[in-house]
Amino acid sequence: EAGVTQFPSHSVIEKGQTVTLRCDPISGHDNLYWYRRVMGKEIKFLLHFVKESKQDESGMPNNRFLAERTGGTYSTLKVQPAELEDSGVYFCASSQGRGLTDTQYFGPGTRLTVL
Amino acid sequence: GQNIDQPTEMTATEGAIVQINCTYQTSGFNGLFWYQQHAGEAPTFLSYNVLDGLEEKGRFSSFLSRSKGYSYLLLKELQMKDSASYLCAVPADYGQNFVFGPGTRLSVLP
Repeated sequence: EAGVTQFPSHSVIEKGQTVTLRCDPISGHDNLYWYRRVMGKEIKFLLHFVKESKQDESGMPNNRFLAERTGGTYSTLKVQPAELEDSGVYFCASSQGRGLTDTQYFGPGTRLTVL
Repeated sequence: GQNIDQPTEMTATEGAIVQINCTYQTSGFNGLFWYQQHAGEAPTFLSYNVLDGLEEKGRFSSFLSRSKGYSYLLLKELQMKDSASYLCAVPADYGQNFVFGPGTRLSVLP
């Protein structure tokens, strides 16, 4: 069974540009999460999809970030326009059920560098 | 709010035993997860504890004390490949996401 995949693995862009990150969850997983790890800090939650619906987007830092999950399969996270403080590693995770204790399976992350 | 604390770095010798501690504060409690993350790779699930006590899984064991808000991950017969970051996480008090600790970077030396 394929794990969670993310694309690209690395992205280097200039301040003001736009970047779109993609996540493909494990097949059949309704729950999809985006997290971010900024240098030197802990992994922090951004938002949670259940199928195509945004269940919780309380962790999104501001309106420069837009996440979508059309069709309830893969998800994209767009940053527009990117700022220096957006640099970090963006992780995607998926889980099967809706229980509070479902194990989340993580992708390898996309390392974003904004210059 | 929720808070999780772990030591930032630890060093141990190949073949030895190491204990990585995690303390947490939450309003509710729905279990505690440990993940392993090698540099540049995905965090991978190691263990889940919801009841007090020790859960053993091969060379790795995880312990939980809910009354003390404390968990530890015990790694036995350390191997070089165990060099990684170990992340402690709990489900959020509100929502289904995880709240992570800062992670403990373990270096295993020959």
